[in-house]
Amino acid sequence: QVNLVESGGAVVQPGGSLRLSCVASGFAFNNYGLNWVRQAPGKGLEWVAVLSNDGTSQHITDSVKGRFTVSRDNSMDTLYLLLTSLRPEDTAVYYCARDWEGGSLDYWGRGTQVIVSS
Amino acid sequence: SLVLTQPPSVSVAPGMPAGITCGGDNIGDKSVHWYQQKAGQAPTLVIYDDAERPSGIPERFSGSNSANTATLTISRVEAGDEADYYCQVFDTYSDHYVFGGGTKLTVL
Repeated sequence: QVNLVESGGAVVQPGGSLRLSCVASGFAFNNYGLNWVRQAPGKGLEWVAVLSNDGTSQHITDSVKGRFTVSRDNSMDTLYLLLTSLRPEDTAVYYCARDWEGGSLDYWGRGTQVIVSS
Repeated sequence: SLVLTQPPSVSVAPGMPAGITCGGDNIGDKSVHWYQQKAGQAPTLVIYDDAERPSGIPERFSGSNSANTATLTISRVEAGDEADYYCQVFDTYSDHYVFGGGTKLTVL
């Protein structure tokens, strides 16, 4: 079955950096685009970034553009999100999710917690 | 940029139908997707492409989309349906994914 497992979340100081990973299994990883979606405490879902199946096309939400970078290693079935210049407002659970029909997200991981605090 | 507007909360008695709306400019021209998020869990896709149900989603869940409003309908609500529900579209103008603010469904 399809499985997505995020890791790498931590407590980090403002201005710090972190790399999140999402390891996939149960499907042909290199056939699907993948997304990062975050959820701040008590708030709604916020889309962060998408990366195409071959890694050549990406889009990132304006609030993190220039600070976050999405990448993937298709040989390792792994999606990454590099977070730099972190701010307290980046505190959230970060989910990875698979692209599907019409721009929907059909499978989600359980998420990894990022806390930005001094 | 595209903004999707949902009511913050909807309350319904068990066995009754529940409707959750998602408003946006000309949203009827886009494919709308709906997610259910129970407390402490990751979201689950319950409706895609306006009205399609993924495998395993009960027939009680249905969707519609026209003009400036999309609607998720749950017929015969059960206690287990209590959750936050989010609508979402892919904005082809910006190539960004957009979520509504979410609606908390309370089963009385």
